[in-house]
Parts: sequence; C-alpha cells; structure tokens
Amino acid sequence: SQQGEEDPQALSIQEGENATMNCSYKTSINNLQWYRQNSGRGLVHLILIRSNEREKHSGRLRVTLDTSKKSSSLLITASRAADTASYFCATAPNSGYSTLTFGKGTMLLVSP
Amino acid sequence: DGGITQSPKYLFRKEGQNVTLSCEQNLNHDAMYWYRQDPGQGLRLIYYSQIVNDFQKGDIAEGYSVSREKKESFPLTVTSAQKNPTAFYLCASRNGPSSYNEQFFGPGTRLTVL
Repeated sequence: SQQGEEDPQALSIQEGENATMNCSYKTSINNLQWYRQNSGRGLVHLILIRSNEREKHSGRLRVTLDTSKKSSSLLITASRAADTASYFCATAPNSGYSTLTFGKGTMLLVSP
Repeated sequence: DGGITQSPKYLFRKEGQNVTLSCEQNLNHDAMYWYRQDPGQGLRLIYYSQIVNDFQKGDIAEGYSVSREKKESFPLTVTSAQKNPTAFYLCASRNGPSSYNEQFFGPGTRLTVL
C-alpha cells in the first residue's frame, strides 16, 4: 500500500524561484527520505530526516517533518532547469530493518 | 546510478513468455530490492532480499519470482502469471540492515509485453 502521498502532483516554476513539495503519510514512521528521479532513470537519494528531527538542510534543499500532522515538505531554493525531475518521499515505518514505502511523486518542471 | 547495473534497458516480449531481468551490484551491499513503477503510481515493492539465499515477498509479488544465489546478483523473473507486466522495473540495494541507510538504484529496465 502507498504510505506517502505527495502534493502537488505537478509543479511548474521559473528558474530562480523556490519549489515546495509536500508529503503526507498515514502511520508512525522511523524516518522519511526524499528521492529524485530524472525521466526514465533510477532514483537518487537526496536527504533523510529522522522522526525526532524537525528540519534538515542539505545545500539548496530544506526538509521539514511534522510528526503530529504526519507530513513533510521539501523546499528547493533558487531552482535551476537541472532540478527538473520527479521527487518522491519514502517512509520507513519501523525501526531496525524495514522496507521503504514510496509515494506517487511530484513532477517538477523548472523553465529557463 | 553508480554501482548497480540493470540489463537490458529495454525489453520486449510476447504475451505468455517468461522473462528475466538482470540486476548486479558491486557495492558489497547485503540488501537488494525490486520495484515496479507504473505511470502515476510511484514505486511498488515486488521482492527484497536481506542476505544471500534469502528473500521475502513485497506488496505485489504475484506473478514474479527471484533468486539470490550471489551477493552481487538479484535477478527478477516476470512469469506468464503476471497479468499486466508492462512497466518500468527498478532494482535497488542498501548497505546494512538499518532503514537509516539510503537505497541506491539502478537505471531501470522498461519491459513491454506485446
């Protein structure tokens, strides 16, 4: 079953603008991860946030986690055309060894 | 996509035929995964393996089979029992048992059943 649901399904912005994508999930998690997928390619890990963390930064990426609302957001600042891709959140529901459950993704288009 | 190779990139098969997708990794990872991706559906877990000679069903295992005879290899067979096999298949691996470890993905195989 799909745990995470991203919102919006698609997002179109201009270069230099910020892009915000949201992820909601249903059950308690151990951590939440964001991945990026260029068209027709494999996924690449971007960032992981643990359930006891509220915010995390990596370069132009900022991830927040609100466990009370069961939601997370990914902010890409000063976007570039090369950021055009699909972005997926993935949740790890249990501690220890567990599989990830991926959402349906947000397709981001950054126009020059 | 470093360290994980999938072949072939595109695969065409006639309905009713079994087909095997290759996944090889040189990352020395214990865990390996197979996902299926359909348009607008995200990734769904087919099978996963934590160690050699051991594997578990994921959410959509029906019509698929796997083997894990070597640490480096985790082939997926799409059998004729899979009702709608046309999809993009992704293989991934992870270093260590903890869910805190990221998954590394291969470039994928696009299977089309004619």
